Amino acid sequence: DQQVKQNSPSLSVQEGRISILNCDYTNSMFDYFLWYKKYPAEGPTFLISISSIKDKNEDGRFTVFLNKSAKHLSLHIVPSQPGDSAVYFCAARESGSNYKLTFGKGTLLTVNP
Amino acid sequence: DVKVTQSSRYLVKRTGEKVFLECVQDMDHENMFWYRQDPGLGLRLIYFSYDVKMKEKGDIPEGYSVSREKKERFSLILESASTNQTSMYLCASSGPGEAKNIQYFGAGTRLSVL
Repeated sequence: DQQVKQNSPSLSVQEGRISILNCDYTNSMFDYFLWYKKYPAEGPTFLISISSIKDKNEDGRFTVFLNKSAKHLSLHIVPSQPGDSAVYFCAARESGSNYKLTFGKGTLLTVNP
Repeated sequence: DVKVTQSSRYLVKRTGEKVFLECVQDMDHENMFWYRQDPGLGLRLIYFSYDVKMKEKGDIPEGYSVSREKKERFSLILESASTNQTSMYLCASSGPGEAKNIQYFGAGTRLSVL
C-alpha cells in the first residue's frame, strides 16, 4: 500500500515559468513533510520541508503548500531554471516514528531553455 | 556541511557472493539508514540504526543485514547476493532533536549482481 503518492512520473516546463509538483498521502499520522531533489548519479539532497501545523513554507524560489484536509502537498518553483531539472521526491514522517521517512516514487522535472 | 560517504560508486558482484557496502558520516549523527532506489519504485528503506549496535528493519529487509559498531559507520551486508538485488543503494544519516527529520544522503552505490 503506497502511503505517499506522486502521480506524475514526469513534468516538463519552460524556463522562467512556474513548476508545480504534487504529492498525495493517505496516512493521517504523517506530521512532517519534505521534498528532496536528485540529480543522476548523485544522492538526494534536501530541498524544503513543512510541519503539519503550517500550510506554507517558502525558501527563495521554492514554496511548499500543505492541504491537510485533502492530504495533499505541492512544491512550487518560481521561476524555473534549467538547473532545476532533476527527480523530485516527496517524503513524509509519521508522528512518533522519530526516524523513518516514507518516500514517493518521484517526479522527473525537465526545465527547457 | 554534512558529509555522507559511500565507499564505492559502482560494484559488480557474482550471484552468491557476500557483499559489503560501507557508509561513513562525519557529523556525529545518531541515526543512519540504508535505502535502495529502483526505477518506478522510489526509495525503499532496508534497515536503519538509531545508535551504535542498534538496528531496526525497514520495509524490505529480506536478504540484507547491517552492522553498526561505531557511530560514524553503518554497513549493509548482502549475505548471498542475488540478481534481484541489483540496484542503487543509498545511505543517509540524521541528527538529534528537530534535525532528525532531515536525512542527508551519500552519492549512492550502484550494485550489479551477475
